[in-house]
Amino acid sequence: EAGVAQSPRYKIIEKRQSVAFWCNPISGHATLYWYQQILGQGPKLLIQFQNNGVVDDSQLPKDRFSAERLKGVDSTLKIQPAKLEDSAVYLCASSYEPGSNQPQHFGDGTRLSIL
Amino acid sequence: AQKITQTQPGMFVQEKEAVTLDCTYDTSDPSYGLFWYKQPSSGEMIFLIYQGSYDQQNATEGRYSLNFQKARKSANLVISASQLGDSAMYFCAMREDNQGGKLIFGQGTELSVKP
Repeated sequence: EAGVAQSPRYKIIEKRQSVAFWCNPISGHATLYWYQQILGQGPKLLIQFQNNGVVDDSQLPKDRFSAERLKGVDSTLKIQPAKLEDSAVYLCASSYEPGSNQPQHFGDGTRLSIL
Repeated sequence: AQKITQTQPGMFVQEKEAVTLDCTYDTSDPSYGLFWYKQPSSGEMIFLIYQGSYDQQNATEGRYSLNFQKARKSANLVISASQLGDSAMYFCAMREDNQGGKLIFGQGTELSVKP
C-alpha cells in the first residue's frame, strides 16, 4: 500500500511570509495527525483529525497556524505569518482509528527553514 | 512533568552486539500503549514495535524486543545483533487511551553502530 504522502519536502521562507503544507494519508485511514518536530526534540502534536472533524488542536498556535481536512482525506497545514521559531520538520501521520493498537504511519515530513 | 523520558542522548554499540535503549513513562491512565519509532537521518519515522498496557507478554518483532516492566513504568527497546543500518534516532512514544490517539514522544536516543 502507498504510504503517507507529504509535499513539499523542503521549504525556505522569510519570517512573516506564509507557507502551506499538504498531506495525503494512507487510503482508508480515518485519523490524520500533524506533528511539529523541532531540531533535537521528539515530535509534538499540533492537530488531530477524525475524518474531517478536529479531535484535538490544543497545541496548535491558532493565531498563526490553521489546518483543514475538508473531504476527510487529504489535509493542508498553513502558517501565516511565520516566525523564526517555526523552523522545524512538519510530520503528517495517519492511522485507521485513534485508540487502537494500530501504529501511526508517518510521511517523510516537510523541513521548514525560516530566514 | 515529563511523560516520556529517554535518559540516553547518545549510544554506541559494536556491530553484531545487542543494545538496550531506555524509556520510562508516567501516566495515571490504566489503558495505554507504548511505541518505538526509528528516525534515520533522512527524516522519516519508521514504526518498530508496540506494547499495550494489558499485554501479558513482552512484544517482539524480528530483532526488536520490548522489555516491559509495568510496575517500574519502563519500556526499554532491545535490538539484537546490531547492524550498521540501525544507526539512527530512536523515539519512545506513549498513547493514553483517555487522551485520544495522539502520541507523546520522548527526546530520543541517537544510536551509532560501529563496524
